[in-house]
Amino acid sequence: GESVGLHLPTLSVQEGDNSIINCAYSNSASDYFIWYKQESGKGPQFIIDIRSNMDKRQGQRVTVLLNKTVKHLSLQIAATQPGDSAVYFCAENSGGSNYKLTFGKGTLLTVNP
Amino acid sequence: NAGVTQTPKFQVLKTGQSMTLQCAQDMNHNSMYWYRQDPGMGLRLIYYSASEGTTDKGEVPNGYNVSRLNKREFSLRLESAAPSQTSVYFCASSNTGGRSPLHFGNGTRLTVT
Repeated sequence: GESVGLHLPTLSVQEGDNSIINCAYSNSASDYFIWYKQESGKGPQFIIDIRSNMDKRQGQRVTVLLNKTVKHLSLQIAATQPGDSAVYFCAENSGGSNYKLTFGKGTLLTVNP
Repeated sequence: NAGVTQTPKFQVLKTGQSMTLQCAQDMNHNSMYWYRQDPGMGLRLIYYSASEGTTDKGEVPNGYNVSRLNKREFSLRLESAAPSQTSVYFCASSNTGGRSPLHFGNGTRLTVT
């Protein structure tokens, strides 16, 4: 899940396992959600997005699940690889402005070979 | 395919000095953004430009100014740098505002002493 304070939540998995990264979002009016991956020294990289009229969306090796009832978003990565090691952020458009995304603080995923 | 390009990559300033961070995108996107990223704080929006000719404040605009020079370029200026502005600054662009993926540059790492 998302963190408070200076320390990121961490998830450590073995190569080949599936990973699930969770995010609790804040605004029930949010209607658009994105997952980003950020490797050390680089900018956030878009992974997958989902609109609030969907519960699930699949990409290549990734699936995003949206549970609006409990305001929860998850990112599932299948067959996790060492190259998946990074910080993962969720972001929501809270609906107040079409141009403002609110980002979570991130989860550090470490993949052990 | 360059995407979003930021310059410089690193900068050290003394308190009170000024500088401009440059950003250019080659994806013909309408909207551009400046974020700062601090440990434990996630990405916070400083300013954004919904379209060429418009700019608006984000969550943390104090101490910054921006210029949308043309459709491609969006600059961020620090008029009188303060140690609290030590951060990593990311520029991003999107096609249709906050309900489409933002594409980020690789950041400018700024230290103010």
